[in-house]
Amino acid sequence: TQLLEQSPQFLSIQEGENLTVYCNSSSVFSSLQWYRQEPGEGPVLLVTVVTGGEVKKLKRLTFQFGDARKDSSLHITAAQPGDTGLYLCARGGSQGNLIFGKGTKLSVKP
Amino acid sequence: EAGVAQSPRYKIIEKRQSVAFWCNPISGHATLYWYQQILGQGPKLLIQFQNNGVVDDSQLPKDRFSAERLKGVDSTLKIQPAKLEDSAVYLCASSFGMNTEAFFGQGTRLTVV
Repeated sequence: TQLLEQSPQFLSIQEGENLTVYCNSSSVFSSLQWYRQEPGEGPVLLVTVVTGGEVKKLKRLTFQFGDARKDSSLHITAAQPGDTGLYLCARGGSQGNLIFGKGTKLSVKP
Repeated sequence: EAGVAQSPRYKIIEKRQSVAFWCNPISGHATLYWYQQILGQGPKLLIQFQNNGVVDDSQLPKDRFSAERLKGVDSTLKIQPAKLEDSAVYLCASSFGMNTEAFFGQGTRLTVV
């Protein structure tokens, strides 16, 4: 089983701080997706990374796919309370379904 | 464009009872997924439909779980009888086709007591 290990599991920070969360595996992936899930909602796709070494930016969020396509990171600059949520990484399954990591639960306090 | 609709939002039942969840996918989406998300974990695929056919149900506990998508649009997921460990959020998602972006509903939070 090609597991996705996410770290840290929990993160609680103050508004304005920077943070990085990680998604690691021992396997190579053709692509990786990052989702944010707010309480009481379903996951929402943030970004898909497909090329080793790729960096994508989404406002204050920066996503990086490792050169070997085995790991990825999400960096948030100047976190805001609205960034609070569960951040999930996922890879594609053989039939187009998604296989998720356990997620990083982020809490940003005002 | 309307999103994926799920009902009910919350359900509390006693163990050994039965329960059913309903999902209406985004119009025109051929692929429909049911995921189970236990507290503290990421979603896990239970079953995937392509139109009204099952593509993958390898992780569906078939002794107690069943799902159907008879007309290739709406879908229902049933649990009978429920166990305590079935307490979770059940998420429905749909996509235009396989390997295209999936959109999730708000989920149904099931508590089995």
